[in-house]
Amino acid sequence: EIVLTQSPGTLSLSPGERATLSCRASQSVSSNFLAWYLHIPGQAPRLLIYGATSRATGIPDRFGGRGSGTDFTLTISRLEAEDFAVYYCQQYGSSPWTFGQGTKVEIK
Amino acid sequence: QITLKESGPTLVKPTQTLTLTCTFSGFSLSTSGVGVSWIRQPPGKALEWLALIYWNDEKRYRPSLRSRLTITKDTSKNEVVLTMTDMDPVDTASYYCAHRLIAAPFDSWGQGTLVTVSS
Repeated sequence: EIVLTQSPGTLSLSPGERATLSCRASQSVSSNFLAWYLHIPGQAPRLLIYGATSRATGIPDRFGGRGSGTDFTLTISRLEAEDFAVYYCQQYGSSPWTFGQGTKVEIK
Repeated sequence: QITLKESGPTLVKPTQTLTLTCTFSGFSLSTSGVGVSWIRQPPGKALEWLALIYWNDEKRYRPSLRSRLTITKDTSKNEVVLTMTDMDPVDTASYYCAHRLIAAPFDSWGQGTLVTVSS
């Protein structure tokens, strides 16, 4: 099973600032099948990025994904109010599909 | 537009069997490549994938829970059912169902249902 480690655990930022979230895999992610989700408690998780770098339908271009192999990054260029949430990375290249433990982006 | 909704008991007793239903619209589980998964999140913890069923009835389970899980589909009702036996308080979690295509992420999710295991 591929273990995904996200850092930092919490990111305290102000609206308009840039957020950089990291996801490191215990082994190479097959075909860079790495996704990022935004989750607001009580709501359905929302797919942001798939294939490490591709934005999902309707996702604004302030969200960007980079990386390959074992190291991946999600960048939010300018935080807006609705972006303060928990972010999870997930690999879907090999079963069992696994998630990171999450990074909470909170308002400073 | 794809929508999914989870339903089932909010409270179960230890050792009981949990049965959850995912009712969906906007796609068919008879279409090639389509799958529905169950994922859970214990309070304060990370998301954990549990099980998946594909259009062709292929099933996948989390290895550590394989003996306790069964996933089935009713294509005519647009439903996927997950059963988990021998429930324990550590199984207290929000349970989500989600849509995916082969070699793709979980692109649509339900809002989840909180299941508490307590006597």
